[in-house]
Amino acid sequence: AQSVSQHNHHVILSEAASLELGCNYSYGGTVNLFWYVQYPGQHLQLLLKYFSGDPLVKGIKGFEAEFIKSKFSFNLRKPSVQWSDTAEYFCAVTPSGGYNKLIFGAGTRLAVHP
Amino acid sequence: NAGVTQTPKFQVLKTGQSMTLQCAQDMNHNSMYWYRQDPGMGLRLIYYSASEGTTDKGEVPNGYNVSRLNKREFSLRLESAAPSQTSVYFCASTTGGNQPQHFGDGTRLSIL
Repeated sequence: AQSVSQHNHHVILSEAASLELGCNYSYGGTVNLFWYVQYPGQHLQLLLKYFSGDPLVKGIKGFEAEFIKSKFSFNLRKPSVQWSDTAEYFCAVTPSGGYNKLIFGAGTRLAVHP
Repeated sequence: NAGVTQTPKFQVLKTGQSMTLQCAQDMNHNSMYWYRQDPGMGLRLIYYSASEGTTDKGEVPNGYNVSRLNKREFSLRLESAAPSQTSVYFCASTTGGNQPQHFGDGTRLSIL
């Protein structure tokens, strides 16, 4: 069965620190990959997505992610976090060409301290 | 442009009661989805509707039913609520293919 693993459940950083959140998936075929963010009390919003092409994708608010096919990974990065980045981050995968049924990771709660 | 609208936002039920969660989208999307979000488990797909007139089970369909009333609306019904169904429920929609899903604000459901 397909699955998505997010390595860190809770991350605490100070402002200006660098961020890297791990995401690995298990699926043998071609996939589409997503990172969603959920700010406190809000719905999920798309941060970035990868379908094909350049494996380094840039999203909103200075986030980027790198798809490494050989490692089945899609890690999220940001060089310098802000207090406003405090949120829960979800990695998700769906097989290409399917009905877009997203498989989510368990999420990573990020707390950024001023 | 409201996007994906869910009603109600909060609900408390007693065990055994029935309830329908409503979802409507105004983006002319073909596909719609219902997820539940539980602490430490991310979002899990309950049911989805790839297009108007079709519905299919997701990862955790037991205890739920759905209706794709028309292209805009996709409802989720709990026929006999159980405490294990206490969760936050999210509806989502997409044009289909590889396009990202757009999520509603969620319904926080507590079953006593």
